[in-house]
Amino acid sequence: GAVVSQHPSRVICKSGTSVKIECRSLDFQATTMFWYRQFPKQSLMLMATSNEGSKATYEQGVEKDKFLINHASLTLSTLTVTSAHPEDSSFYICSARNSGSSTDTQYFGPGTRLTVL
Amino acid sequence: SQQGEEDPQALSIQEGENATMNCSYKTSINNLQWYRQNSGRGLVHLILIRSNEREKHSGRLRVTLDTSKKSSSLLITASRAADTASYFCATFPTDSWGKLQFGAGTQVVVTP
Repeated sequence: GAVVSQHPSRVICKSGTSVKIECRSLDFQATTMFWYRQFPKQSLMLMATSNEGSKATYEQGVEKDKFLINHASLTLSTLTVTSAHPEDSSFYICSARNSGSSTDTQYFGPGTRLTVL
Repeated sequence: SQQGEEDPQALSIQEGENATMNCSYKTSINNLQWYRQNSGRGLVHLILIRSNEREKHSGRLRVTLDTSKKSSSLLITASRAADTASYFCATFPTDSWGKLQFGAGTQVVVTP
């Protein structure tokens, strides 16, 4: 149980295009999902908190118009990197909290490797 | 912002040896969690220890928490080559609204 999937696992795009990454909780409902980015050999940096049915809350320094987040259902959150540039190349990871669980455990997706040429 | 500081940054050991890594943090927490990440993959949750707990075991893993020193340790006993990964501690601060704060991680290499 508690599986989180991400799609795609890897994407290469040209500079200026937009890329959508999906995060799904497969066997539980998640009112809250989190989006992180991770540069090589570094830790995870929280980008934003995705709340089902409401606007996402972004961490300081993260452009909300650049990284669009939509949490349309209890099992799906999407992150769209708009007008991507090479500096957006990174590993993007989502996580989800089980709404029906009393624990604070977050379950992480396998990540999406974005390369912007 | 990163709250947790981990040491060592890297650890190289042989199979069968124990691996110990430490994590320090700065604010009050509800719990502290340890995760493993294999290269290029997502994070796997290993263990959660609550602020009122001092020690917890799960298989070959032993986690301690000292809230007075704001530190935690993760011990992997009888390590295996498959334990090669990066290990991250993540704190759940009391005022974080559910947001985990990750440490810098310890890269562990276990050689056969």
